[in-house]
Amino acid sequence: QQPVQSPQAVILREGEDAVINCSSSKALYSVHWYRQKHGEAPVFLMILLKGGEQKGHEKISASFNEKKQQSSLYLTASQLSYSGTYFCGTEVYPGTYKYIFGTGTRLKVLA
Amino acid sequence: DTGVSQDPRHKITKRGQNVTFRCDPISEHNRLYWYRQTLGQGPEFLTYFQNEAQLEKSRLLSDRFSAERPKGSFSTLEIQRTEQGDSAMYLCASSLGERDKYEQYFGPGTRLTVT
Repeated sequence: QQPVQSPQAVILREGEDAVINCSSSKALYSVHWYRQKHGEAPVFLMILLKGGEQKGHEKISASFNEKKQQSSLYLTASQLSYSGTYFCGTEVYPGTYKYIFGTGTRLKVLA
Repeated sequence: DTGVSQDPRHKITKRGQNVTFRCDPISEHNRLYWYRQTLGQGPEFLTYFQNEAQLEKSRLLSDRFSAERPKGSFSTLEIQRTEQGDSAMYLCASSLGERDKYEQYFGPGTRLTVT
């Protein structure tokens, strides 16, 4: 079943923060986060593995709550370049490398 | 440019025709994935390969779809007797097999329009 992301869409001003959530009805073994700009392919942001630590990349970080079957992506001090659609991808079974992508969150950062 | 290339970038075909897409992954990547994406939706898994072996195929894929990866290098995705519902962006992605290195690198996609 497809993970559900929230919010579906968000509009920010430059410098504001945002949180995007990814919730699954099934156990999560790993979570990938990708950003896709209009007309382009998805671009990898980070991986979170079961039992792993919270990841961080510049002003973008993420957490993985195995018990809640949920992952969250944190965007700090957003920049115009953060605009796009964010997808989480969850591994169906451990070690299968088969992923189901979430419903997506459209994020727009305004100057 | 992620290093994954796809050809063609756009394909317009008439219903009932066969089409074939090609994907060239990053050379050292042993895993290759095909996804389908429609407007506003996330990529939908179709199939994936480890080297030349096709390990899994989505149940959503009808018998009209077939994929190959001869010699574990490039891959082709063929759609036979295309239908209007096949219109979508077809994405290819590749990755390494090691657990901590398996982020997927996506190609630019092939946009298929069936008229």
